[in-house]
Amino acid sequence: GAGVSQSPSNKVTEKGKDVELRCDPISGHTALYWYRQSLGQGLEFLIYFQGNSAPDKSGLPSDRFSAERTGGSVSTLTIQRTQQEDSAVYLCASNRDAPDTQYFGPGTRLTVL
Amino acid sequence: RKEVEQDPGPFNVPEGATVAFNCTYSNSASQSFFWYRQDCRKEPKLLMSVYSSGNEDGRFTAQLNRASQYISLLIRDSKLSDSATYLCVVRAGGYNKLIFGAGTRLAVHP
Repeated sequence: GAGVSQSPSNKVTEKGKDVELRCDPISGHTALYWYRQSLGQGLEFLIYFQGNSAPDKSGLPSDRFSAERTGGSVSTLTIQRTQQEDSAVYLCASNRDAPDTQYFGPGTRLTVL
Repeated sequence: RKEVEQDPGPFNVPEGATVAFNCTYSNSASQSFFWYRQDCRKEPKLLMSVYSSGNEDGRFTAQLNRASQYISLLIRDSKLSDSATYLCVVRAGGYNKLIFGAGTRLAVHP
């Protein structure tokens, strides 16, 4: 079946611009996660959605970062006024529920010039 | 201190070698443990879960020591295709959020 998909695969933007990254989880998966991976680093948790519960935003690095999940499916991660340190690969993952395996999308590589 | 710590490597080994990776975690309430594999410029994929009794999947053996808060991964008879970064991953009890180590890079050469 279809896996987690993300778009765009690559995004180059100028410092100060806003960007939106999209994630389509696996159909039927109620949990959705966003992570960030900087070059040569491990994955950094950003935000977690579980069904209709309030999202866990504890990993968002600043108020320039926000995410929403509409209709319990597609999610959008928005970064406002991008900075060069925001350059990273943004990975989305989904699963049915803990402790189920998380399945990752291919990521969006964001470059802020 | 990082919640999950790994030796970054790289480990450069010849084909056929046995190699072991170690990982420590700081949260004693952690309940689930995993090894993920990440190929260059690809997304992480689950390699295996780690159970208290230890578990084996072909050439791969994972061990968990709760008292020492230590996880290991042993790869026997290394193949060129094993070259990747191996991520130690921990989930704290009651939370669905996974905490990833920075990864250990393995390079298997002919």
